[in-house]
Amino acid sequence: KAGVTQTPRYLIKTRGQQVTLSCSPISGHRSVSWYQQTPGQGLQFLFEYFSETQRNKGNFPGRFSGRQFSNSRSEMNVSTLELGDSALYLCASSLTRGPYEQYFGPGTRLTVT
Amino acid sequence: SQQGEEDPQALSIQEGENATMNCSYKTSINNLQWYRQNSGRGLVHLILIRSNEREKHSGRLRVTLDTSKKSSSLLITASRAADTASYFCATDATYIQGAQKLVFGQGTRLTINP
Repeated sequence: KAGVTQTPRYLIKTRGQQVTLSCSPISGHRSVSWYQQTPGQGLQFLFEYFSETQRNKGNFPGRFSGRQFSNSRSEMNVSTLELGDSALYLCASSLTRGPYEQYFGPGTRLTVT
Repeated sequence: SQQGEEDPQALSIQEGENATMNCSYKTSINNLQWYRQNSGRGLVHLILIRSNEREKHSGRLRVTLDTSKKSSSLLITASRAADTASYFCATDATYIQGAQKLVFGQGTRLTINP
């Protein structure tokens, strides 16, 4: 089976812009979670989607949003980018929802200038 | 705040030696997982241990869990250069409306010297 894919792998944006990141889960996986990883804060949970519905949301401002499509593919959007949004954004999929074994993609490295 | 805290933050050993990393957490858990991350890449799931298990093995990996002390350890035996990576423990935390999520620690950076 193909692994979790994320596009793009690298992205440079300017403060104030918005960005959309994409994640394709492993075939058959219905749950997709997003994480932000920074040197200072470590890995932080953004949100989880299951069956096209957001099931869980971390402690992030409303500028961070996401959605999931009927084929389980997911996108996350960050509006009005801030310098502090520079991070590695990781997507993970799993067979079912909840804190179980997750399969991570390679991540999208976002740099905000 | 992080649910899991790894110790040490960094560990450097010679190839062939054993590496031990520890994880402490704060609240009751249903399961604890360990993940590996090679520099700047995605995480790879290593092992999941349930709260009613005390020890689990997978190849050169041995994980122990002590729920009374709220701690876990990951032992990598006969280390190899390819084991150089960051290792994270992750615990489940009950979130709003009973939903659960994974909470990761800050990780242990392991370096295997040839």
